[in-house]
Amino acid sequence: GENVEQHPSTLSVQEGDSAVIKCTYSDSASNYFPWYKQELGKRPQLIIDIRSNVGEKKDQRIAVTLNKTAKHFSLHITETQPEDSAVYFCAASGGGADGLTFGKGTHLIIQP
Amino acid sequence: DAGVIQSPRHEVTEMGQEVTLRCKPISGHDYLFWYRQTMMRGLELLIYFNNNVPIDDSGMPEDRFSAKMPNASFSTLKIQPSEPRDSAVYFCASSELNEQFFGPGTRLTVL
Repeated sequence: GENVEQHPSTLSVQEGDSAVIKCTYSDSASNYFPWYKQELGKRPQLIIDIRSNVGEKKDQRIAVTLNKTAKHFSLHITETQPEDSAVYFCAASGGGADGLTFGKGTHLIIQP
Repeated sequence: DAGVIQSPRHEVTEMGQEVTLRCKPISGHDYLFWYRQTMMRGLELLIYFNNNVPIDDSGMPEDRFSAKMPNASFSTLKIQPSEPRDSAVYFCASSELNEQFFGPGTRLTVL
């Protein structure tokens, strides 16, 4: 089955700086890669996703890049703000509406 | 739409008791997923349904766990008998295409 590794487990950055979270996956058949943000005690919420036919996708301060050859994808957050503090999860699936395999999460801390 | 609805939001029970978690997916979504979240194991897929039919239950930990989807608007996850190691937050999610929408979760504590 699919295996998703996520790094780092904790990331602390100064407000206004950029944050980068990286994930690798094992199954070359995976073709859908979403990122979820989870605040303490809340549900995971989709913030951005990318499909395997695209190398990069951007939505305001958030961008995701995908390297299918190397089987890794990354989340980039620019101009970080206090409300970006949360746990971020990457995930992979075979597309369609398969179940997601999640990474272990990154606790992002924005220092004022 | 109210989003994915789960009940109860919190459940505290004693070891050996039966626990039933409930989920109502977003209307029109034909995929439904059950996930479990713990500190040690993170977010794990337990089972998912397409058009009320179970597609992949390989994530169900053991025979004590069972899930049903009798119709398009309702699903249950049952644990019988429950054990302390089942303590976790159980999320239900639904989707129409790729994006999965999560419910608020049920926090289960087994004493």
